[in-house]
Parts: sequence; C-alpha cells; structure tokens
Amino acid sequence: AQSVSQHNHHVILSEAASLELGCNYSYGGTVNLFWYVQYPGQHLQLLLKYFSGDPLVKGIKGFEAEFIKSKFSFNLRKPSVQWSDTAEYFCAADTGFQKLVFGTGTRLLVSP
Amino acid sequence: NAGVTQTPKFRILKIGQSMTLQCTQDMNHNYMYWYRQDPGMGLKLIYYSVGAGITDKGEVPNGYNVSRSTTEDFPLRLELAAPSQTSVYFCASTPQMNTEAFFGQGTRLTVV
Repeated sequence: AQSVSQHNHHVILSEAASLELGCNYSYGGTVNLFWYVQYPGQHLQLLLKYFSGDPLVKGIKGFEAEFIKSKFSFNLRKPSVQWSDTAEYFCAADTGFQKLVFGTGTRLLVSP
Repeated sequence: NAGVTQTPKFRILKIGQSMTLQCTQDMNHNYMYWYRQDPGMGLKLIYYSVGAGITDKGEVPNGYNVSRSTTEDFPLRLELAAPSQTSVYFCASTPQMNTEAFFGQGTRLTVV
C-alpha cells in the first residue's frame, strides 16, 4: 500500500530562517503530490501541488517544493519564514485512485 | 460560496451513544471523503464516495457508516460511540480525479 513519510514531527525556527520539510512517498507509478497547511484552529488548505511537468513547483505565500522522482521525495521549502507560518504541514499523495494518503504532519513553530 | 460545511463543530458523546456528522458541499463535486485526524497520526481516510449512491471503505472504516443519497451530502454515522473514536473529523470533496481537495472546518468529537 502507498504511504507518505514526513521525517520532522516538530520544527522550531526563528523568523527569517530557511525552512525545508522532508516528504517521501512509497509508490512506483504515477503519483500526484500535495502539501497542505493547517493554521491553528482552521481546516486544511492547499499550499501547492505537483501533477506533472516542471518538478519545481511554487505555491502560495512563498513556498515551493521539488519533486525528485529518483528519491521518491517532495520536500517543501521556504527561504525565509515568518511568524505567520506557524502551522502544521501535511504532505499527501494520490496515486490516481482518488484516495489521498497523508503523512503524519510536521508542526512548525516560528518564533518572532 | 460556502464550500464544504460540517456540523456540528464540537460534540461530546457518551460511550454507546450514536450520532451523525453532517457534511454538505455546494460545489457539485463528485468525490467526497471523511478523514479523522489524531495527534501525531496525520489524517486517516474513513470512507469515501465517487458519486451519489456509491461509497467505499477507506483505511479505518470500523465503527462508522456513510451514505450518499445526493451529490451534496455525505453524512458519517457513529452507531455505538467508543473512546477510540475521540478525534477531529474532516470532510472533503474534489470535483474529479487529480485535483486538490477542499476541506470542511472539522468536527471535534469527544467520547467519554
């Protein structure tokens, strides 16, 4: 069965620091990949997605992610985080059967 | 545009009680999903539906039932509540395959 792994469960950064959150998936075929964000007390919102084409995708709020097929990875990055980026971040994969599989999430705390 | 609406937002149940979590979407999406979110576990798929009259089990269906009599509504039923069902429940919908999911605000359920 497909699975999604997020290696960092908790990350604490100071404002202006760079961010990279790891995500690996286990599926050998075509896969659609997503990063969702959940701000405190809110529902999940889409940050960015990869279906095909340029493996470097840009999302909202300055986030980007790179799809590396050979590493089964889809890491999320942001050059300079802000206090408002404090949230929980979920990587998700869809192998085309329309069943999103989520990672366990990474809680990011950005201190001002 | 309301999107995906879940009711109630909060509920406390006693062991053995039953309840229905309501989910409705006004985007005419074919696909609808129920997830539960537990700390450190990410989101687990309970049930999903690819259209009115069609439902299927996800990863953790035990103790739950669903129905999909209309495109708009996808209620989740707990027949005999157990403490293990204490969780935050999210409903989501997508218009078709290979697109992002839109999430409701969630229902926080506590079983005591």
